[in-house]
Amino acid sequence: GQQLNQSPQSMFIQEGEDVSMNCTSSSIFNTWLWYKQEPGEGPVLLIALYKAGELTSNGRLTAQFGITRKDSFLNISASIPSDVGIYFCAGLPPQGAQKLVFGQGTRLTINP
Amino acid sequence: DVKVTQSSRYLVKRTGEKVFLECVQDMDHENMFWYRQDPGLGLRLIYFSYDVKMKEKGDIPEGYSVSREKKERFSLILESASTNQTSMYLCASSPPTGTGRERVFGPGTRLTVT
Repeated sequence: GQQLNQSPQSMFIQEGEDVSMNCTSSSIFNTWLWYKQEPGEGPVLLIALYKAGELTSNGRLTAQFGITRKDSFLNISASIPSDVGIYFCAGLPPQGAQKLVFGQGTRLTINP
Repeated sequence: DVKVTQSSRYLVKRTGEKVFLECVQDMDHENMFWYRQDPGLGLRLIYFSYDVKMKEKGDIPEGYSVSREKKERFSLILESASTNQTSMYLCASSPPTGTGRERVFGPGTRLTVT
């Protein structure tokens, strides 16, 4: 099946640093979604992207839908302790109906 | 506040036991999903259902079955639990069409099979 390669798998940073993570695929997607999962909870949607080249912000978070439709990145600026968690990308393929494809996740740890 | 709830947050079962994981949503969504989450593998789709009594296999259905007798409830069944089914299980629901952003996840059930 389709796969998303998300990197890095984990990040250990200092509070205040900026964070960048990305997802790539060999297949194209119509929609890219970025989720955050906190310990003991299910994933919660952060940002949704619908058009190639689209750049969308949500507070300190910025995400972009790659121009080739095969990749996306998420940036977090000026990280704070509550940013800790696992971040997932997900893509909705053109033919996939409701079958979202998920990346492997990026585990973010922040040292205060 | 719209919700997807899962019957247990933590569950410990023995090898060979029959295990039921229950999921209930209060949003009148047609679609419901069961995912398995493992470190380094992300979320993998086990089964999904687009209507009552309808189901489709996802990417990793082996060893699992599902039941959807009512619109709001979707059950995942492990007929004979094995240690390699130790994992976090996530349920989700969504309306029948849309852009993907409408999907709502439950808090997860961490299952340990000993």
